[in-house]
Amino acid sequence: SQTIHQWPATLVQPVGSPLSLECTVEGTSNPNLYWYRQAAGRGLQLLFYSVGIGQISSEVPQNLSASRPQDRQFILSSKKLLLSDSGFYLCAWSTAGTSVTYEQYFGPGTRLTVT
Amino acid sequence: KQEVTQIPAALSVPEGENLVLNCSFTDSAIYNLQWFRQDPGKGLTSLLLIQSSQREQTSGRLNASLDKSSGRSTLYIAASQPGDSATYLCAVRPSFYNTDKLIFGTGTRLQVFP
Repeated sequence: SQTIHQWPATLVQPVGSPLSLECTVEGTSNPNLYWYRQAAGRGLQLLFYSVGIGQISSEVPQNLSASRPQDRQFILSSKKLLLSDSGFYLCAWSTAGTSVTYEQYFGPGTRLTVT
Repeated sequence: KQEVTQIPAALSVPEGENLVLNCSFTDSAIYNLQWFRQDPGKGLTSLLLIQSSQREQTSGRLNASLDKSSGRSTLYIAASQPGDSATYLCAVRPSFYNTDKLIFGTGTRLQVFP
């Protein structure tokens, strides 16, 4: 069965510090990978998605970047955090391909507080 | 631009009640609609996925319906239990995107008390 991991689970960082959040998926190959952010009182917003190694698409202009160095690894980064980067970050995966039936499956999330 | 709205934002009911959660979307051009459950501080658990060609899906005490032409979906929870307390999110996959990007509603926070 497939499993998705995220770490760390919680993180408190000062403004201006760097960020690295990691997501890994087990039990599947060549998944589509996604980073979402859930800010307080707001819905989930897609930040980045990737259909393959080194292939990253950004949905919204922001202070963050994403990378996919391996097939089942997705990393969210920032060089200098802003207060507005605080939120709950969720990684998700779905089966690759052109079928419209695929569900998205989410990880446990990382709670980021920028102080 | 696709927008997803969920009503009510919060709901508190006694155990045993049958519930209906509502989700509406502005653009009927979707591939599918997915209902999720989110417990406080946790990730999302997929509950039901309805393809655009389907009218409803059932899983246990949950039943989700889809009326694509009117831009509405409902999640019906039968015989609610305290363990059903969570935030319920719906999300649509617009058909004009090249990937399975999801557009989420802001959720309905459900509390079922004994």
